[in-house]
Amino acid sequence: SQQGEEDPQALSIQEGENATMNCSYKTSINNLQWYRQNSGRGLVHLILIRSNEREKHSGRLRVTLDTSKKSSSLLITASRAADTASYFCATAIYNDYKLSFGAGTTVTVRA
Amino acid sequence: DAGITQSPRHKVTETGTPVTLRCHQTENHRYMYWYRQDPGHGLRLIHYSYGVKDTDKGEVSDGYSVSRSKTEDFLLTLESATSSQTSVYFCAISGQGSSTEAFFGQGTRLTVV
Repeated sequence: SQQGEEDPQALSIQEGENATMNCSYKTSINNLQWYRQNSGRGLVHLILIRSNEREKHSGRLRVTLDTSKKSSSLLITASRAADTASYFCATAIYNDYKLSFGAGTTVTVRA
Repeated sequence: DAGITQSPRHKVTETGTPVTLRCHQTENHRYMYWYRQDPGHGLRLIHYSYGVKDTDKGEVSDGYSVSRSKTEDFLLTLESATSSQTSVYFCAISGQGSSTEAFFGQGTRLTVV
């Protein structure tokens, strides 16, 4: 079964607005990663946050991790049309080589 | 972009026929993965490899086999294709397993008729 689940399933926002999506997971993790997938393409890694970290930034991306609630959020600030994509969280547990992906959040940025 | 190539990119095959998908990398990464992506399911792991000739099953391995005889190549075989295996297949590579980022190929769209 999938470890991570994203919420909401879909999100539509106006260009310039912020987009926030959440990921919940079930078991203790080593790290949590966020990926973006443009239509018809492969996934691209955005950011990795380790279990001992609470927040990370990368450009217009901000990721938080709350291990007590087993949840993470991805914030995209000042969204652009190019941010239109599906976003996936993936969890890694200790002593395991595998990533477990959620079903994703589809973000549409309207011009 | 990470040097990872999937072939073929598209394939239509008939039920009951064997099919092999190839993933080739030029990054010398130790870990390689095969996922399938279906609407509403995200990515599900089929098989993965943690070294030459070292492979293990993922969560949806039934009906699939893999082989890795060289660091750079990871083959996924559908022994006898079924319509339920119609999907988009992605290969991914990683230098340190799940501890670091994974790099994905462009995907193979497989249709079983």
